[in-house]
Amino acid sequence: DIQMTQSPSTLSASVGDRVTITCRASQSVSNWLAWYQHKPGNAPKLLIYKASSLESGVPSRFSGSGSGTEFTLTISSLQPDDFATYYCQQYHSFLYTFGQGTKLEIK
Amino acid sequence: QVQLQESGPGLVKPSETLSLMCSVSGGSIRNNYWGWIRQPPGKGLELIGYIHYSGSTNYNPSLTGRVTISADTAKNQFSLMLTSLTAADTAVYFCARIKPEEWLVFDYWGQGILVSVSS
Repeated sequence: DIQMTQSPSTLSASVGDRVTITCRASQSVSNWLAWYQHKPGNAPKLLIYKASSLESGVPSRFSGSGSGTEFTLTISSLQPDDFATYYCQQYHSFLYTFGQGTKLEIK
Repeated sequence: QVQLQESGPGLVKPSETLSLMCSVSGGSIRNNYWGWIRQPPGKGLELIGYIHYSGSTNYNPSLTGRVTISADTAKNQFSLMLTSLTAADTAVYFCARIKPEEWLVFDYWGQGILVSVSS
C-alpha cells in the first residue's frame, strides 16, 4: 500500500495568512492526488484533484501543486471559513489511501 | 446538487452485524460508482469499498469476508453490511460518490454517521 504522510499535523494561522500543507507519498503517485476539506459534522469537500485542478465552485485562493511523491496545498489568504482539517488522497493505486490529516487552527 | 445521507444504528454490540444505508438525492445512482469510507477516532480515513450501480464491487482486502456493499436503484440507495464487529470497527462511516471520469476521487460525501461497537 502507498502511505501518505501530511505535515504539519496541526497548523495555527491567522485570517489573511498564506498557508501551505505538504503531503508526501511513499512511492510515486504521478499526479493522481486529491485534497479534501473537512469540518466536524459536515460532509468532506473535494478541493483539488489531479494535484492541481480546482474542483468546480472552490474558491481560487486554494491551489495545489506537485507530482511524484511531494505535493502541496496552498491557501493564499486564509478566510474564517477555511479553518478545518485537510486530507490528501492518492488515487494512483488501490487502496487509494488518505493522509492522516492536517488540522488548521485559528492562531 | 447531489446529496448523500447515511442512516443506521449508532451503537452495535461486538460480534453483531452493522447495516448502514446511504440515500442519494439530486441525482441517480445509475451510471456512477459509489463508495464507503470510514474514520476511526483519532485516525485517518480508510476506504472500505465501492460499488457500481450494476452491482460490481471492490473491497478493502483487510475487510474481505466481512463486508458487503449493495445497491438498490429503485430506491436510489446503496448500503454497507459489516459482520463480526469488534471495537476496532468503531468509526465515523461516510458514503460518497466517485467523481465521474476521475477515478478514484470522491466528489460528493455524506456528513457521516458515528458507529460505536460496544456491549
